[in-house]
Amino acid sequence: QQQVKQSPQSLIVQKGGISIINCAYENTAFDYFPWYQQFPGKGPALLIAIRPDVSEKKEGRFTISFNKSAKQFSLHIMDSQPGDSATYFCAASDPTGFQKLVFGTGTRLLVSP
Amino acid sequence: DSGVTQTPKHLITATGQRVTLRCSPRSGDLSVYWYQQSLDQGLQFLIQYYNGEERAKGNILERFSAQQFPDLHSELNLSSLELGDSALYFCASSVVGQGWNEQFFGPGTRLTVL
Repeated sequence: QQQVKQSPQSLIVQKGGISIINCAYENTAFDYFPWYQQFPGKGPALLIAIRPDVSEKKEGRFTISFNKSAKQFSLHIMDSQPGDSATYFCAASDPTGFQKLVFGTGTRLLVSP
Repeated sequence: DSGVTQTPKHLITATGQRVTLRCSPRSGDLSVYWYQQSLDQGLQFLIQYYNGEERAKGNILERFSAQQFPDLHSELNLSSLELGDSALYFCASSVVGQGWNEQFFGPGTRLTVL
């Protein structure tokens, strides 16, 4: 049972463009939604996170938009750069499971020069 | 660098064998989570420890076990290994095991079972 659905599976964006990755969740008990960035051969690195009582959070070029009623959230990368090329995972924290993270399936982003 | 360390970085072994993966959390973090990353299953939660005690279990096989020691490092033991156990194994640490807390991941151990 996939509790967090992520799309698209892969994404190609031109340098300077906006990258948008979407996630949807089912469990309304989830209380924290982080995004992780992973480069090949490395561990996931925490990028940005949001709580469900906030509709948007921005950190530099990265913005999370959160729609609690629709149970959806998305990551926007503004002014995408080739160095942003990586795999991005959305996740949801399960308070009934001592904050274990439930991950989406990942989006492989390629930013072309 | 997240501050979480994992050893070894790579591990190659044969079916039926047993291996131990080690994780040292960030200084001050009491909680350790283990995750498995494979091509077909993605990132899956295995087990969590908080200050030496097991707190939550996920999709962890009975052949796998873990523990957290008094110095807070953790070990994941994988036994009777099968080809399908080949994967990346990550540990993550956080300050506390409940409430909104950030999890920081280590560099992982790549396990190859031949």
